[in-house]
Amino acid sequence: DAKTTQPPSMDCAEGRAANLPCNHSTISGNEYVYWYRQIHSQGPQYIIHGLKNNETNEMASLIITEDRKSSTLILPHATLRDTAVYYCIVRVAQGSNYKLTFGKGTLLTVNP
Amino acid sequence: KAGVTQTPRYLIKTRGQQVTLSCSPISGHRSVSWYQQTPGQGLQFLFEYFSETQRNKGNFPGRFSGRQFSNSRSEMNVSTLELGDSALYLCASSLESPTISGNTIYFGEGSWLTVV
Repeated sequence: DAKTTQPPSMDCAEGRAANLPCNHSTISGNEYVYWYRQIHSQGPQYIIHGLKNNETNEMASLIITEDRKSSTLILPHATLRDTAVYYCIVRVAQGSNYKLTFGKGTLLTVNP
Repeated sequence: KAGVTQTPRYLIKTRGQQVTLSCSPISGHRSVSWYQQTPGQGLQFLFEYFSETQRNKGNFPGRFSGRQFSNSRSEMNVSTLELGDSALYLCASSLESPTISGNTIYFGEGSWLTVV
């Protein structure tokens, strides 16, 4: 079962920042938070991942709360091409191996 | 650098047949995992291979199997196909073992399987 909770859908105006929230209250100390997005009929695209510190790359920023129970993915200047389903995933251990368990994600619609 | 490559991209099979899907990971990546995506169940983990050994397995029947070769390329096989096996099958690769918690994992574009 996925360990994350995300809103099913969000809207954002083109050019504005998109802030996608994710709750992961049962996260364990060495479990990373990953974000992927999927545009219809394509494979999931890796965006970013982090453990406890905030992370930034060319696509987005990941803000993780100090207690690690929630995080926010920020797309600083959303474009129409950012319309996709965004998955927040906690990579959990199954025995000694970690795996990604996808939930239903958030459908982000960027409007002109 | 080429991404994760999956072949074939689209295929149609008949109930009862078997199918083999292929995945070439990113160059240098040694871990390959497989997922099934359907409208009803979403993205579900099938299995993961590292150094030619299955390291993780999801909750799928034995009709679903896989293997990894010494060059890290992987194949998955589904035998005795059922209508419900129609799905997008996704392969993902990462550099390190699944025992490493913070691997970066990249997905391919998937293979669309339709069972009629």
